[in-house]
Amino acid sequence: GAGVSQTPSNKVTEKGKYVELRCDPISGHTALYWYRQSLGQGPEFLIYFQGTGAADDSGLPNDRFFAVRPEGSVSTLKIQRTERGDSAMYLCASSLTGRLGDEQYFGPGTRLTVT
Amino acid sequence: DAKTTQPPSMDCAEGRAANLPCNHSTISGNEYVYWYRQIHSQGPQYIIHGLKNNETNEMASLIITEDRKSSTLILPHATLRDTAVYYCIVGYDKVIFGPGTSLSVIP
Repeated sequence: GAGVSQTPSNKVTEKGKYVELRCDPISGHTALYWYRQSLGQGPEFLIYFQGTGAADDSGLPNDRFFAVRPEGSVSTLKIQRTERGDSAMYLCASSLTGRLGDEQYFGPGTRLTVT
Repeated sequence: DAKTTQPPSMDCAEGRAANLPCNHSTISGNEYVYWYRQIHSQGPQYIIHGLKNNETNEMASLIITEDRKSSTLILPHATLRDTAVYYCIVGYDKVIFGPGTSLSVIP
């Protein structure tokens, strides 16, 4: 079946602009996660949704970052006033229930470059 | 969430077993041990997880010590396609990645 998809695959934007990154989870998965990965580092947790609500947003670096999942399926990560330090691979994952022992399925990521 | 310690890199000969160690001495009672891997330029891929007992699936085996303070991921017959960064993670709902072990499978 279809896996997690993310669009766009690449995004280049100028410093100060607003960007939206989209994640389509596996159908029926209630939990959705966003991560950010810089070159040579492991993925860094940003936010976790259980259904429509953000169950844990402790990884969002500052108030320029915001994510929504209005219908409990597709999620959008929004970054305002982008900075060059925001350049990274943004990964999305979903899991069936988000409960203990549930594995996460990752998408291919969106590579964001802020010039 | 508990932290893990892994060697930064390892080599393994093609066709041999790859044994990747992980220390998680501060793991708490109901935290799972998860292993993921990330092949270059791809998203991470789930491999296996366990709580107390050893586990095996089509990809790998997971050996967890009795005190749960360490574990070993075993790839029984490593191939060149197993070259990747392997992440050992302990936790509940969210997955906190460390730097992982970069495994190179050598022909």
